[in-house]
Amino acid sequence: DAGVIQSPRHEVTEMGQEVTLRCKPISGHNSLFWYRQTMMRGLELLIYFNNNVPIDDSGMPEDRFSAKMPNASFSTLKIQPSEPRDSAVYFCASRTTRNTEAFFGQGTRLTVV
Amino acid sequence: TQLLEQSPQFLSIQEGENLTVYCNSSSVFSSLQWYRQEPGEGPVLLVTVVTGGEVKKLKRLTFQFGDARKDSSLHITAAQPGDTGLYLCAGDLTQGGSEKLVFGKGTKLTVNP
Repeated sequence: DAGVIQSPRHEVTEMGQEVTLRCKPISGHNSLFWYRQTMMRGLELLIYFNNNVPIDDSGMPEDRFSAKMPNASFSTLKIQPSEPRDSAVYFCASRTTRNTEAFFGQGTRLTVV
Repeated sequence: TQLLEQSPQFLSIQEGENLTVYCNSSSVFSSLQWYRQEPGEGPVLLVTVVTGGEVKKLKRLTFQFGDARKDSSLHITAAQPGDTGLYLCAGDLTQGGSEKLVFGKGTKLTVNP
């Protein structure tokens, strides 16, 4: 398996633009997580899905953020409109079930100017 | 509010020294995991501890889960420059029948030759 695949690896956009981050989890994994990593706040959980259903989105910072998982092999995280303070590295991770290893993608480095 | 408090945040030591990293919480976790992250990459699992009081060893690394399953520690013996990296603790928190995986802010370890 190729592991968790995220795209793009890097994204530079202007304030106010829409940004869409993509994630393909490992086949057979039932849980998918979206995290945001910054120096100040560390690795923050934004939202997670179980069997394609959003379970907890309490970490989503504002209504500007939304996430979908239309099927077991694809998820998106959208920011609209983007702001400079959204600049961070966004990670997607997947795993089979609780207490098991979470496999991370390589992340998307987002810069909003 | 940070569910998992990690300390110290930064640690710079000389090769051959021993060190301990702590991960504390007021919440009870069904498991505690330790990850290591290299620059430009996602975190990679080192170990999972599940039972209160459990101790696991991985070569020069010793991991312990607190009796009450609220805290954990990572001890490295005779640190080497190759141990340099960001160490993250993560806990599985039960919520509504599902487990969400939350992370501490991390400990950035530098081992100088």
